[in-house]
Amino acid sequence: EDQVTQSPEALRLQEGESSSLNCSYTVSGLRGLFWYRQDPGKGPEFLFTLYSAGEEKEKERLKATLTKKESFLHITAPKPEDSATYLCAVRDTGGFKTIFGAGTRLFVKA
Amino acid sequence: ETGVTQTPRHLVMGMTNKKSLKCEQHLGHNAMYWYKQSAKKPLELMFVYSLEERVENNSVPSRFSPECPNSSHLFLHLHTLQPEDSALYLCASSPQEGGTDTQYFGPGTRLTVL
Repeated sequence: EDQVTQSPEALRLQEGESSSLNCSYTVSGLRGLFWYRQDPGKGPEFLFTLYSAGEEKEKERLKATLTKKESFLHITAPKPEDSATYLCAVRDTGGFKTIFGAGTRLFVKA
Repeated sequence: ETGVTQTPRHLVMGMTNKKSLKCEQHLGHNAMYWYKQSAKKPLELMFVYSLEERVENNSVPSRFSPECPNSSHLFLHLHTLQPEDSALYLCASSPQEGGTDTQYFGPGTRLTVL
């Protein structure tokens, strides 16, 4: 059964303190891994799609990487406006469902 | 309007009421989805429509009834809900159903069932 586990559940950083969020996944075959950002009371906002192990993508202070078992979302020198919940999701080669993790709540203090 | 829009943004209803949630996508996509998001839980897929045909009903209680009159509009009709149905209901769309297509989400409807 496809499964996505995100850690930590919550992360508190000082402004400028770089860190990483983890997304571990189990799928029979990976069709795509997705990262989203969600602000309170809003819908998830698309960040990245990764397709194969070794792939990396960057956007401003965020960088997503992918291995065969997990993905990391690296946040370099975060700012308070990066505070949000970050969601990871996977879709396997066999079906059409996108399986989401429970998310990591990130708090960045000025 | 751009992207995916949802109305209403907030809804409070009693257990005997009947209401509907509306979703509209302006992206020219062929697939639309309903998700339920409860506090500290992963998003739960409820329904998937591809070219106006339902392709997935993820064991959702019959008190939730979806409708997709065309590829741009999606409704979720609600009746005799329970307090545990209180959640954020999210609509999403993607170019095609399945594959590697990214899903784009609306802002959600915050539903409270009294």
